[in-house]
Amino acid sequence: AQSVTQLGSHVSVSEGALVLLRCNYSSSVPPYLFWYVQYPNQGLQLLLKYTTGATLVKGINGFEAEFKKSETSFHLTKPSAHMSDAAEYFCAVSPNKFYFGSGTKLNVKP
Amino acid sequence: KAGVTQTPRYLIKTRGQQVTLSCSPISGHRSVSWYQQTPGQGLQFLFEYFSETQRNKGNFPGRFSGRQFSNSRSEMNVSTLELGDSALYLCASSEREVDTQYFGPGTRLTVL
Repeated sequence: AQSVTQLGSHVSVSEGALVLLRCNYSSSVPPYLFWYVQYPNQGLQLLLKYTTGATLVKGINGFEAEFKKSETSFHLTKPSAHMSDAAEYFCAVSPNKFYFGSGTKLNVKP
Repeated sequence: KAGVTQTPRYLIKTRGQQVTLSCSPISGHRSVSWYQQTPGQGLQFLFEYFSETQRNKGNFPGRFSGRQFSNSRSEMNVSTLELGDSALYLCASSEREVDTQYFGPGTRLTVL
């Protein structure tokens, strides 16, 4: 069975601080992995994805994620948070269909 | 290319009514998926269509149905609306099955 676990439903960081959003998955086959961001009253926007190849994936808005097969993790990071990063972030895995995590709301304090 | 469009953006209905939501995928995309998003349950998968065939279905009652047309546009229908059906309904399209999904802005359904 496939599943996605996002640790921490709410994460709060100060502007300029490191952002780390955690995602662990289980999949019986090599997965495709995704991070999406959702701003209030909007749809989900693709931040980045891992399919094959390089395990460190760079996305939009300065975000990146690293696929670690041994840890079954795909954590999302950004070196320096900006106020505009405040949103909800979803991790997803797609071995044969999409499975989304429960989401992490990121709050950025001035 | 134009993104995924969903109509209407906002909808208010009363219990017992039915509703039809529409989704136009990105040009060339043949797969359309529907999701229900609520504060309590998060993102829940409703169904996926590819080339007019339902490929996957989530765990929702039969009141929720959908279809896809030959031009890849999709509709979902909810009959006998309940208060708990109030949610943001998101549509996503992709070129193929098991491919990156691109989301529309959603339809906000309120059931009174």
